[in-house]
Amino acid sequence: SQTIHQWPATLVQPVGSPLSLECTVEGTSNPNLYWYRQAAGRGLQLLFYSVGIGQISSEVPQNLSASRPQDRQFILSSKKLLLSDSGFYLCAWSVRLRRSYEQYFGPGTRLTVT
Amino acid sequence: QQQVKQSPQSLIVQKGGISIINCAYENTAFDYFPWYQQFPGKGPALLIAIRPDVSEKKEGRFTISFNKSAKQFSLHIMDSQPGDSATYFCAASKGLADSSYKLIFGSGTRLLVRP
Repeated sequence: SQTIHQWPATLVQPVGSPLSLECTVEGTSNPNLYWYRQAAGRGLQLLFYSVGIGQISSEVPQNLSASRPQDRQFILSSKKLLLSDSGFYLCAWSVRLRRSYEQYFGPGTRLTVT
Repeated sequence: QQQVKQSPQSLIVQKGGISIINCAYENTAFDYFPWYQQFPGKGPALLIAIRPDVSEKKEGRFTISFNKSAKQFSLHIMDSQPGDSATYFCAASKGLADSSYKLIFGSGTRLLVRP
């Protein structure tokens, strides 16, 4: 069965510090991968998605970047965090097949920028 | 056109009652409509989903009703239980040229089922 991991689970970082969040998927090959951010009590905003190694699409201009160095690894980064970067970051994966649209989410990382 | 509007924002239901959450969309290119359930501090979990070629899909106590002409869909939770207390998100999706797709999420409904 497929499993998606995210770490760290929680993170408190000062403004201006760098960020690296990691997501890995097990039990599947060639997945589509996604990063979402969820502000407190709000819906989910798609930040980045990737259909393959080194292929990243950005949905919103922001202080963050994403990379996919391996097939089942997705990394969210920032060089200098802003207060507005606080939130719950969720990684998701889906099977890369036509009309197979189910997305499966990881446990999330709670980021607090102070 | 990319929005999915969800209502109500919060809902309180007595145990055994029916919980109903509604969503509406504008983009007729959407072709997949899932519902997610999220417990506090956890990632959303796929609950049930429907495609626009059917008007209803039922899985256990959960039913999606879909009205293509009205561009609306709803989640019905029958015999609601305290364990159903969570935040529910509707979403809509369409494929993209690079074989991926986007999920556009509603703003969420916080459901509380009283014992």
